[in-house]
Amino acid sequence: EADIYQTPRYLVIGTGKKITLECSQTMGHDKMYWYQQDPGMELHLIHYSYGVNSTEKGDLSSESTVSRIRTEHFPLTLESARPSHTSQYLCASTAQESNTEAFFGQGTRLTVV
Amino acid sequence: QQPVQSPQAVILREGEDAVINCSSSKALYSVHWYRQKHGEAPVFLMILLKGGEQKGHEKISASFNEKKQQSSLYLTASQLSYSGTYFCGTSKFSGGGADGLTFGKGTHLIIQP
Repeated sequence: EADIYQTPRYLVIGTGKKITLECSQTMGHDKMYWYQQDPGMELHLIHYSYGVNSTEKGDLSSESTVSRIRTEHFPLTLESARPSHTSQYLCASTAQESNTEAFFGQGTRLTVV
Repeated sequence: QQPVQSPQAVILREGEDAVINCSSSKALYSVHWYRQKHGEAPVFLMILLKGGEQKGHEKISASFNEKKQQSSLYLTASQLSYSGTYFCGTSKFSGGGADGLTFGKGTHLIIQP
């Protein structure tokens, strides 16, 4: 069982609110990722991190920002939520070595009304 | 560049076989396969590396044709538990997962009793 946790699982919030999606892992993984996935669709990489103080933008442009102050924690923030941000956000982590299994959290399903 | 998966959907009876294909227009260094059930996180199935190495957990086989830049996932004697959406993911660099994966649009597999 993967030791990677996301909170909240579901979030309904009004337009213009600031939100932070939490992601924590207890596996000591250096590499962490955020993917965005619409229902029934593919996953799109929006952010990744090699380790503490490292953050990079992914393939899909996103208005969200991330931080990596601690190895185990990789939160994603939206300063001003909009209906277009409605989606599922999945956090994942991998070990340091290349080409290893990614462990995914259960996701946060965000609805902006 | 996003890998292309085929078919988009498959409906099988329990015990039948299926093949899911993944191809890319760019050189592939590795192909990663995941299965996602409705409302759940993606779960790792297998990684195929250039040179023939495979890493996997389940009794599911796959092939990787480097010259054709294609990978195929073989599901034999399918079980009800195989139902879900199968995603192939490709890494941009030979280093593998440091920069995350680019996923195909997925193949929806339905197994009927």
